[in-house]
Amino acid sequence: EAQLVESGGDLVQPGRSLRLSCVASGFTFYDYAMHWVRQAPGKGLEWVSGVTWDSAYIAYADSVRGRFTVSRDNAKNSLFLQMSSLKAEDTALYYCSYGDYHSFQIWGQGTMVTVSS
Amino acid sequence: QSALTQPASMSGSPGQSITISCTGTGSDIGSRNLVSWYQQYPGTVPKLIIYAVTRRPSGVSDRFSGSKSGNTASLTISGLQAEDEADYYCCSYGGSSTFHVFGTGTKVTVL
Repeated sequence: EAQLVESGGDLVQPGRSLRLSCVASGFTFYDYAMHWVRQAPGKGLEWVSGVTWDSAYIAYADSVRGRFTVSRDNAKNSLFLQMSSLKAEDTALYYCSYGDYHSFQIWGQGTMVTVSS
Repeated sequence: QSALTQPASMSGSPGQSITISCTGTGSDIGSRNLVSWYQQYPGTVPKLIIYAVTRRPSGVSDRFSGSKSGNTASLTISGLQAEDEADYYCCSYGGSSTFHVFGTGTKVTVL
């Protein structure tokens, strides 16, 4: 059974950095593009960033471009999100996810990031 | 990268059908048949219910169906049931430079 487990969420001050991790199991990790999707408390879903299986293509939402960096390690079945210059509006539950036909079929349980002084 | 536009809320009585619209642009919904829909109950992880505009994952009720016309995608819930009361989000793939964009979300209430 495919599974994604996120970690790294924390309470951080504005302007600080944080690194999220997502460990995959139960499927062939290097076959899929992987993504980060976030959801602020009481708000909707927002796609944050994605990386193709070979890291050849990487993209970011306008709201995080220049501050967040996505990467993956296929040997360790892991996806990462390095977040810097964090803002209050980055406060959200961060999910990693993947799926066929550019959908999000499998989701982790999410890791909470709170940016506050 | 503006969010796709969905109605904020919709409602219907049990047994009725409702159709949720999702409006994008020629750069996302209009350019590819890669629209997906998600159902989310409060406090839970989103669930994929439609992908590639019309396809249903295994185990998803056939009361859910998807379609697309031009820059607008739609999700129809037929035979509305109390368990369908949830938030629904559309999403479209926009190509290798922008990847994905989600809709604003629609809260469905079963009267």
